[in-house]
Amino acid sequence: LAKTTQPISMDSYEGQEVNITCSHNNIATNDYITWYQQFPSQGPRFIIQGYKTKVTNEVASLFIPADRKSSTLSLPRVSLSDTAVYYCLVGGSSGTYKYIFGTGTRLKVLA
Amino acid sequence: NAGVTQTPKFQVLKTGQSMTLQCAQDMNHNSMYWYRQDPGMGLRLIYYSASEGTTDKGEVPNGYNVSRLNKREFSLRLESAAPSQTSVYFCASSEWDRGGSNQPQHFGDGTRLSIL
Repeated sequence: LAKTTQPISMDSYEGQEVNITCSHNNIATNDYITWYQQFPSQGPRFIIQGYKTKVTNEVASLFIPADRKSSTLSLPRVSLSDTAVYYCLVGGSSGTYKYIFGTGTRLKVLA
Repeated sequence: NAGVTQTPKFQVLKTGQSMTLQCAQDMNHNSMYWYRQDPGMGLRLIYYSASEGTTDKGEVPNGYNVSRLNKREFSLRLESAAPSQTSVYFCASSEWDRGGSNQPQHFGDGTRLSIL
């Protein structure tokens, strides 16, 4: 099972771009990289998923280098409502159902 | 647009009591999961069901049983609750893509369980 390593916490100010990097050295060939956001008293919510290079959607971008041993979630112009815990997961290849969430990164956005 | 629905939202049990947590999804997903989340921790997988009729152990299955009642419903049972099982329990579901890979999971809002 692929294990991920993320910073425990980060602080940012409103309007700034935030980059959260995740290390996953033993990612398998067919694994995807998926990021979730969790607010207090709620279940995790899917943000973005990618396999290689760069993926962008309406809320975030995901940068994946060629060796795929790390990935970076980029949140443009964060607001106070982006204060949450962000989890990086790897897995999802055929037959893989056991995901390891890790402790995530606690992002605090300051006014 | 219900997604994943968990019941109950809160429950207090005494040590030794039994309890079944219910989960239902309306997205026609094949796979379903049960996780627990302890304070300040990430989620740990208890059991999962890859498809209707199958279940398998995750990281922390001891003290729990599951039933995949049909494609929509996946229940988690504590036969004899212990204080160490005090936690927030999350149910999730996901689908496979055409390549057979598992797509992102959709989570419920959790059941907060306290065992005294």
